[in-house]
Parts: sequence; C-alpha cells; structure tokens
Amino acid sequence: QVQLQESGPGLVKPSETLSLTCTVSGASISSSYWSWIRQSPGKGLEWIGYIYSGNTNYNPSLESRVTISLDTSKNQFSLKLRSVTAADTAIYYCAKDGRTWPIWGQGTMVTVSS
Amino acid sequence: EIVLTQSPGTLSLSPGERATLSCRASQSVSSGSLAWYQQKPGQAPRLLIYGASSRATGIPDRFSGSGSGTDFILTISRLEPEDFAVYYCQQYGSSPWTFGQGTKVEVK
Repeated sequence: QVQLQESGPGLVKPSETLSLTCTVSGASISSSYWSWIRQSPGKGLEWIGYIYSGNTNYNPSLESRVTISLDTSKNQFSLKLRSVTAADTAIYYCAKDGRTWPIWGQGTMVTVSS
Repeated sequence: EIVLTQSPGTLSLSPGERATLSCRASQSVSSGSLAWYQQKPGQAPRLLIYGASSRATGIPDRFSGSGSGTDFILTISRLEPEDFAVYYCQQYGSSPWTFGQGTKVEVK
C-alpha cells in the first residue's frame, strides 16, 4: 500500500528557509499529484500546494515563498518555505493527490524560533 | 477564496445517537467539490467523504454526506465509540482549496 513519511528539521530560525522531504513508498512519484498541507492552532488546516509531473499549484497566500519539487530518483517530493516567521509554526503533512487527500503522512512538527 | 463555516463548534452526544454536522460556504462550491475528514488526536486527517456524498474507500456506511451549492451536511447515523473526534469540511472547487474550522464530536 502507499505510504508517505515526512522528514526534516523540527526547529527553524526566523527569516530562514524551512525544508521538508516526503518519501513515498508503494507508488511512483511520477504518476500522481502530491500535496503539502499544514495545521496550526491559529490557522487550522491550510493547503500549501501540489505538484504533478513538475507542474505546481500553490496557495496564493504562500506562493511568493513556496517551492514544491520532485526527486524521481529517490521517489521523494519536497517543500521549501522561505523567510519563515513564528506564524509558520505548524504540523506539516505530505499527502497523495491534489484536491482531496486519501493518504497522508504522519506529519512533522516544525517550530520557528530563534 | 471560499470561506467554510462549520457548526456547531462542539456536539455533545452519546454512543448510538445520530450526529448532524453542518458546513456552509461563503459562495457556491462548484460541482459539489466538498469533502469531509475525521481527525483524532495525534493523527493526520482521514478522508471520509468526497464529491459531497461519495464515501471514500473503507468508510462505514453510517457516514453519509449531502448538500450542494453553499450548504453541506455530514451525518453519522449511529455514533460508535471510535467516531468521537474532530470533523473538517474542505472545498476543492475553487483554488485555493480551503478547510472549515472543525466540529468536535464529544461524548456526552
């Protein structure tokens, strides 16, 4: 079955770049949509964006700071969020598909703090 | 963007009772592109319903969704102990996809 696992630093300093990776098993990264979603106490659940075969669609509220990319050699996709602030503190989830998400990773907590 | 408002914020019910959760959109959700998720503490959300009324794979038939336009309903016909959780609606008819703030179903 398809499984997703997020990885990356749990602590990021303000103004720096948050970088996370999602490792996919049980499916080819080349054959579906892949998404990032985050959840914070203040803003609830927030869709960040998705990627499909190199094409991306981002939430306009984050678009100026976000990049989602694929690494087909490792069957992974990644998230980069630049110039982070405390408001970016959240649990970050990767998920399969682009509009609804039947399969999620377990989530990884990222705290933005100096 | 479309704002989704869920009500009530908290629903206190007993096992075996019927739960009715509401999700209202700030503008019409095209093509019934509305989903429902269940989330338990420490877990990722779980997709229950998509297309307003289609159950996702493996979801028991006590969960049903209905509605169109701006008003949607999730019904749990008879609450099982494992159904006490937070439920979110999500629209994917108009980018950016957005979520409601959630309804907590708690044991009375």
